[in-house]
Amino acid sequence: AQTVTQSQPEMSVQEAETVTLSCTYDTSENNYYLFWYKQPPSRQMILVIRQEAYKQQNATENRFSVNFQKAAKSFSLKISDSQLGDTAMYFCAFAYSGAGSYQLTFGKGTKLSVIP
Amino acid sequence: DSGVTQTPKHLITATGQRVTLRCSPRSGDLSVYWYQQSLDQGLQFLIQYYNGEERAKGNILERFSAQQFPDLHSELNLSSLELGDSALYFCASNPAGFSYNEQFFGPGTRLTVL
Repeated sequence: AQTVTQSQPEMSVQEAETVTLSCTYDTSENNYYLFWYKQPPSRQMILVIRQEAYKQQNATENRFSVNFQKAAKSFSLKISDSQLGDTAMYFCAFAYSGAGSYQLTFGKGTKLSVIP
Repeated sequence: DSGVTQTPKHLITATGQRVTLRCSPRSGDLSVYWYQQSLDQGLQFLIQYYNGEERAKGNILERFSAQQFPDLHSELNLSSLELGDSALYFCASNPAGFSYNEQFFGPGTRLTVL
């Protein structure tokens, strides 16, 4: 079974500063996908960034980047130049093809507050 | 707007009752996933349908069932409701068959069991 662990239930960061959210996972699979989802107060689930395990290069999307360490099974999210709109729950998630399904396994989430 | 719609937005009901949650996937998406988000269990995968057939099952209770219709919309049926079934239920869709594609989430249905 796959597990995803987010060890930081809550974090805060000053506006314009940089923050890193941690995520570790456990799997015996070799080919899989990792994601960070954002859930603002509206409750909508929004994909922030994704990483394919076979790619060594870390994914980047504007102010969001990841540090993917496959051997350590670590997948952290760095948010640069934090903005008030980044205030949200952030979920790390894992997917692999088990019997042709790519269902997501989520961590418990990190509540991020951006302070003006 | 992800293109996935879910109805109703909110549902309040009593213990022992039965409810049906509806999901319309994005146009052209064949795969529908159901997830439950609760304070106790976090976000959990319940079940997936692909082109009308069940593809994968997660932590779905026997009191819960789902189906996907020929027009590809899906319904999640929850019966003999308990207080602990109160949660936000998400539907997600993607075109996926046998390769990965991003899942697009609907806005969710908030179920409150009193």
